[in-house]
Amino acid sequence: AQSVTQLDSQVPVFEEAPVELRCNYSSSVSVYLFWYVQYPNQGLQLLLKYLSGSTLVESINGFEAEFNKSQTSFHLRKPSVHISDTAEYFCAVSEGTNAGKSTFGDGTTLTVKP
Amino acid sequence: DTGVSQNPRHKITKRGQNVTFRCDPISEHNRLYWYRQTLGQGPEFLTYFQNEAQLEKSRLLSDRFSAERPKGSFSTLEIQRTEQGDSAMYLCASSSHRSYNEQFFGPGTRLTVL
Repeated sequence: AQSVTQLDSQVPVFEEAPVELRCNYSSSVSVYLFWYVQYPNQGLQLLLKYLSGSTLVESINGFEAEFNKSQTSFHLRKPSVHISDTAEYFCAVSEGTNAGKSTFGDGTTLTVKP
Repeated sequence: DTGVSQNPRHKITKRGQNVTFRCDPISEHNRLYWYRQTLGQGPEFLTYFQNEAQLEKSRLLSDRFSAERPKGSFSTLEIQRTEQGDSAMYLCASSSHRSYNEQFFGPGTRLTVL
């Protein structure tokens, strides 16, 4: 069975500061990894994904995440955050089978303060 | 661009009543997933369909829950004899045969059982 642990439930930072949201997973098979963002009372939006290839993946709004197989981690980083980045972030893992279902962490609330 | 849509967005019901939610996936996505998200937690997998076939159900899906996808397009999730513990956000997602692991989520239906 697979599981996801998001190590920080809340991360407060000041605007323009760097941020890292940590995610560790466990799985006995190869995995695909995802970060989703959820704004209040909305569904999940895919932020970025690792399926194969380069272990460093980037989103269009400046976030990046690096797949580290030896440490079973997929931490999310951004060098300079904006107020609009305030949201809940979920890390998810999908096993490399054909099922497609995902297992999610419990989320990290990122609060960006002015 | 029509993404995944869900109706209703909000549902308030009294304990013991039956409720039904609808999900319309992205056109031509043959996989459809249902997840449940309670406050402070990440989404939990409930069930998924490939076309009209229900391929997997989580142990979370008690006998009071039933999901259908009769024509392989939209899906319904019915909860019979609702309980206060059923209060949650119910999320629907769909994916394409080109990449089953890349799921696109709808905005969710928030259920409140009084």
